[in-house]
Amino acid sequence: DAGVIQSPRHEVTEMGQEVTLRCKPISGHDYLFWYRQTMMRGLELLIYFNNNVPIDDSGMPEDRFSAKMPNASFSTLKIQPSEPRDSAVYFCASSFRHQSPLHFGNGTRLTVT
Amino acid sequence: EDQVTQSPEALRLQEGESSSLNCSYTVSGLRGLFWYRQDPGKGPEFLFTLYSAGEEKEKERLKATLTKKESFLHITAPKPEDSATYLCAVQAGSQGNLIFGKGTKLSVKP
Repeated sequence: DAGVIQSPRHEVTEMGQEVTLRCKPISGHDYLFWYRQTMMRGLELLIYFNNNVPIDDSGMPEDRFSAKMPNASFSTLKIQPSEPRDSAVYFCASSFRHQSPLHFGNGTRLTVT
Repeated sequence: EDQVTQSPEALRLQEGESSSLNCSYTVSGLRGLFWYRQDPGKGPEFLFTLYSAGEEKEKERLKATLTKKESFLHITAPKPEDSATYLCAVQAGSQGNLIFGKGTKLSVKP
């Protein structure tokens, strides 16, 4: 298996622009998670899905953030409009069960200028 | 509030110099404690899961232990390739979401 695949690896955009991050989880994993990592706050859970249904989005910082999972093999995290404070590394992870170890992608480094 | 604290923030060792990393936690209803390794520019990679006090897991030069308040990651005779950031995460509460510590950055010099 190729593991969790994220794209793009790097994204540089200007404040106010829309940003879309993409994730392909490991086939057969029922859970998909979006995390954000910064030096100040470490890894923070934004939202997670079970069988394509959003279960807990309490970590989504504002209405500017939205996530979708239209099918078992694809998810997006969208920020509209983007702000400089959104600059971080965004990770997607998947797991077989909720309490199973997470398999992370290599992240998208987002820079908003 | 559930909290996970890792210490030290950074640790420099000479090759072969054994040491331990600490992860202390205050959570209600611990379901499991996870250790991950993260290399620069990569996502965290799973190492161990511990479920109950007294449990131990080993992998090569790494050994993880768990008490009711903390976990230790012992590294024996480390090599330069063990250099990475080690993250601890706790799964607890009704939602069972993972709470990550900020990590310990380990550097092993030859």
